Amino acid sequence: DAKTTQPTSMDCAEGRAANLPCNHSTISGNEYVYWYRQIHSQGPQYIIHGLKNNETNEMASLIITEDRKSSTLILPHATLRDTAVYYCIVRGSNDYKLSFGAGTTVTVRA
Amino acid sequence: DSGVTQTPKHLITATGQRVTLRCSPRSGDLSVYWYQQSLDQGLQFLIQYYNGEERAKGNILERFSAQQFPDLHSELNLSSLELGDSALYFCASSVVGGRGRGSNEQFFGPGTRLTVL
Repeated sequence: DAKTTQPTSMDCAEGRAANLPCNHSTISGNEYVYWYRQIHSQGPQYIIHGLKNNETNEMASLIITEDRKSSTLILPHATLRDTAVYYCIVRGSNDYKLSFGAGTTVTVRA
Repeated sequence: DSGVTQTPKHLITATGQRVTLRCSPRSGDLSVYWYQQSLDQGLQFLIQYYNGEERAKGNILERFSAQQFPDLHSELNLSSLELGDSALYFCASSVVGGRGRGSNEQFFGPGTRLTVL
């Protein structure tokens, strides 16, 4: 019962912004959108999360559409070290497990 | 470095054996989560503990069990091991994890790679 849809893969040029889309058309009002990434079999790394408003931290920005049915993770200046699998996850406020899908494999090229 | 530690990093054992994986959460985190990542199943949630009590269960086999100790470290016990149990096992921790607590981010350890021969 996948709650999110992400492209399988995408390439990005080093130094450019990487925009990673995620569809979550069945999201409900109390569910958050989380983004994690996993670099080659390392433990997943928390990036950012949001409920309704756009969010920004030192790693990325999260843009959530007004109807909350989709979102975009923006890596402002991609580097080679950003090559990873990026997971978009929808999680309810009372549900603490993270349900990982297949994610998007992002390859940053020099 | 997430602050979550897991031991051992690698474990090689034989079918039918029993192993224990250990996790120390970040300082101050009360919740511990266990996940399994295999090639064919991806990252799957196994079980969560909050302040010593089991809080949520996922796709955890009956041959597997876990516990969280008073000092908040956790152990995942895998018994009667099968070839298919070969996987990466991740532990994560978070500050909150009790019910009705809104958002919380989980921080993952480096994992234990289990190989069953």
